[in-house]
Amino acid sequence: QSALTQPRSVSGSPGQSVTISCTGTSSDVGGYNHVSWYQQHPGKAPKLVIYDVTQRPSGVPDRFSGSKSGNTASLTVSGLQAEDEADYYCCSYAGSYIYVFGTGTQVTVL
Amino acid sequence: QVQLVESGGGVVQPGRSLRVSCAASGFTFNTYTIHWVRQAPGRGLEWVALISYDGTKKSCADSVKGRFTISRDNSYNTVYLQMNSLGSEDTAIYFCARGSPPYSSSSLDYWGQGTLVTVSS
Repeated sequence: QSALTQPRSVSGSPGQSVTISCTGTSSDVGGYNHVSWYQQHPGKAPKLVIYDVTQRPSGVPDRFSGSKSGNTASLTVSGLQAEDEADYYCCSYAGSYIYVFGTGTQVTVL
Repeated sequence: QVQLVESGGGVVQPGRSLRVSCAASGFTFNTYTIHWVRQAPGRGLEWVALISYDGTKKSCADSVKGRFTISRDNSYNTVYLQMNSLGSEDTAIYFCARGSPPYSSSSLDYWGQGTLVTVSS
């Protein structure tokens, strides 16, 4: 149950796009389409922004999109806004009712 | 509206036990999986455990296996996490979260605000 690997930080100017990668193995990310992404502002609970690799929950702006290729999933935030500055975590099902989170990525809006 | 409220956190000595609770409201509790996720100070999220909607399926992370036990009481819309043999590495905010969709769980769609557990002598 090793944590999924994410870049420590990414940054972009308002209006630009940033992409966060989430690398696992064939036993988690590569083996299931149950990858989700969470946004967490300081001192707050995480918020679901993408589920099942590409699906957006109701109320999440369409600026957030997800994808997957092999053992790597990605979250793209387009049209970056100040309120997007937060920590982002991926999460994958790993079989046998086990889940694993990513190491987390800090997104900075320049 | 969906609400999850954790309670029971506090300061506990190393080697002792503590039980935290997650009280749910605003949805049909007995149709949803519930997860526990923790976050050590200044660190990332770590998945801890889950229990299926009917309590028949339980699982936990290797880091807590044999020490933590998850349970639920659907009559009281509450999930519990019994934590034994606590060590400093267990110091964290403990969040409960609802698994979605009903009867399954591919993501965690609603989260509580968390309860802080501090293991210290």
